[in-house]
Amino acid sequence: EAQVTQNPRYLITVTGKKLTVTCSQNMNHEYMSWYRQDPGLGLRQIYYSMNVEVTDKGDVPEGYKVSRKEKRNFPLILESPSPNQTSLYFCASSFRNSPLHFGNGTRLTVT
Amino acid sequence: GQSLEQPSEVTAVEGAIVQINCTYQTSGFYGLSWYQQHDGGAPTFLSYNALDGLEETGRFSSFLSRSDSYGYLLLQELQMKDSASYFCAFPLGSNTGKLIFGQGTTLQVKP
Repeated sequence: EAQVTQNPRYLITVTGKKLTVTCSQNMNHEYMSWYRQDPGLGLRQIYYSMNVEVTDKGDVPEGYKVSRKEKRNFPLILESPSPNQTSLYFCASSFRNSPLHFGNGTRLTVT
Repeated sequence: GQSLEQPSEVTAVEGAIVQINCTYQTSGFYGLSWYQQHDGGAPTFLSYNALDGLEETGRFSSFLSRSDSYGYLLLQELQMKDSASYFCAFPLGSNTGKLIFGQGTTLQVKP
């Protein structure tokens, strides 16, 4: 089954404790991206990648890192999480500008 | 700059027709997409317009007027399950993973 898999679905952590949210897709998509969703603000792009070893900043990259060492994986790293990074996070993948396939989301709470 | 504007909420009754508008500002236009998101779930792709006119997919249609920088999503024969958030979005280039979403319109379908 074609899918984008994010883990974990829920995560509660404390300020400053490094964490990684994993994202994997099995559709051989070149494009992958991360979004955060906050009430009233819609989906805002954090980082995107157009292929292996090619990443670029989206609209809200501060406080996040990504890597694209393999085509299928695109982890999101928070080196020192802060409470303002409490949000719902989505990973997505696609071929070029064709429709995005989203993962089921990761609800992160930073206390 | 680049931006999209949508109404924040729309309410309609079951069986009716509802139109969700999206106006946009961008220096280069590469198509307008629509996504549906049920509460807290993964957004799913509904429709895409690259050229002016109407695209129909079952009960859902999407319209684009590039000269007016305007599009809309039309939902016919509304069902309770159509209660969801709807987002318009566009890419910032013909070959880029950078995507901008509107803030979303919450549709409430009443019996």
